[in-house]
Amino acid sequence: AQSVTQPDIHITVSEGASLELRCNYSYGATPYLFWYVQSPGQGLQLLLKYFSGDTLVQGIKGFEAEFKRSQSSFNLRKPSVHWSDAAEYFCAVGALSSSNTGKLIFGQGTTLQVKP
Amino acid sequence: AAGVIQSPRHLIKEKRETATLKCYPIPRHDTVYWYQQGPGQDPQFLISFYEKMQSDKGSIPDRFSAQQFSDYHSELNMSSLELGDSALYFCASSLGTSNEQYFGPGTRLTVT
Repeated sequence: AQSVTQPDIHITVSEGASLELRCNYSYGATPYLFWYVQSPGQGLQLLLKYFSGDTLVQGIKGFEAEFKRSQSSFNLRKPSVHWSDAAEYFCAVGALSSSNTGKLIFGQGTTLQVKP
Repeated sequence: AAGVIQSPRHLIKEKRETATLKCYPIPRHDTVYWYQQGPGQDPQFLISFYEKMQSDKGSIPDRFSAQQFSDYHSELNMSSLELGDSALYFCASSLGTSNEQYFGPGTRLTVT
């Protein structure tokens, strides 16, 4: 069965420091991979996506992620974190298959806290 | 650019009451997805529609039903509400089942 694991429930980084949020997926077919960000009480905003092609994808707000098929990972990175990046981050996987219905499977989320 | 619209944004109901949540997809989007996010939880897929037909079903209780109308908007009907139904309900839309889903702001349902 497909699944997404975000090993880190909570991460705290200092403002200006680099960030890496981990995501591992399990899916038999070729996956679509996404990172979403959610501020408290707010909706989900798409940061970036990977469908195919270049395994390093650039997103909004200075985020990037790298798809590593051999490690079944899609880690999110940012070179320098800003206080406004404090939020909940969700990794999600969709399916690329003949039975693709588009539904997303989300990881448990990682809460990012930014220290001044 | 137009986004996904959900109404109402907040809803308070008592146990055993019914609730109807509405979702208006981005113009020209023909696919709608519903997700439920409990407190401190990740969003869980409930149900989806493509071209007004149900395309997939997740962990949606039998007390819930949904449909997509001719103008592509969708409604999630919830009956015999329970305390455990309190959650944030998201609607997302896409063009086809391409997986690039755009999420609405959510409806926060509180059951007392």
